[in-house]
Amino acid sequence: GAVVSQHPSRVICKSGTSVKIECRSLDFQATTMFWYRQFPKQSLMLMATSNEGSKATYEQGVEKDKFLINHASLTLSTLTVTSAHPEDSSFYICSARAPGTGTEQYFGPGTRLTVT
Amino acid sequence: SQQGEEDPQALSIQEGENATMNCSYKTSINNLQWYRQNSGRGLVHLILIRSNEREKHSGRLRVTLDTSKKSSSLLITASRAADTASYFCATESGSYQLTFGKGTKLSVIP
Repeated sequence: GAVVSQHPSRVICKSGTSVKIECRSLDFQATTMFWYRQFPKQSLMLMATSNEGSKATYEQGVEKDKFLINHASLTLSTLTVTSAHPEDSSFYICSARAPGTGTEQYFGPGTRLTVT
Repeated sequence: SQQGEEDPQALSIQEGENATMNCSYKTSINNLQWYRQNSGRGLVHLILIRSNEREKHSGRLRVTLDTSKKSSSLLITASRAADTASYFCATESGSYQLTFGKGTKLSVIP
């Protein structure tokens, strides 16, 4: 089956620094990747949709200058949390969609970000 | 944007019993999907039901969809301790974007 990986799985950073999270589709090419965040005991909230070779589309209320998304290849999308603050601490999950496979999305294992 | 709502928020059952979770949504959809999430992990896709389908089965899972009531249910039969997880419904209305419900936390007691 389709596999999506994320790196790192956990990261702790100091307030004011930037953190990059990678999302890779390992055995398929993903024209579209999605980034979600999940607060403890809550649901997933879509942050942005990333299409290969074009700018990401951000959901309302998500600061695009704070959450930089790059989808430079068909197998890699990155999310950079810039000038991180403690309130950015969350579980970030990416998913990828393979073209021609319908609507199913394949989810990565998530990245736990803690900002101290 | 719409958001699905699952109920109950938490469900605790004995191993072997059936577990039923419900999901309601607000706008028209192309399909509805159910996912499972173990604590601190990513999501696993369980089953997808299209808007023109009413019922679907996959192993011990049975999903129903009532578009007139904008609701869906997930039934897990003969539950096992390994089924302990959070279960989310997600609706897709276009552009392949998913809107997730708040989830039901299922605990199956051995």
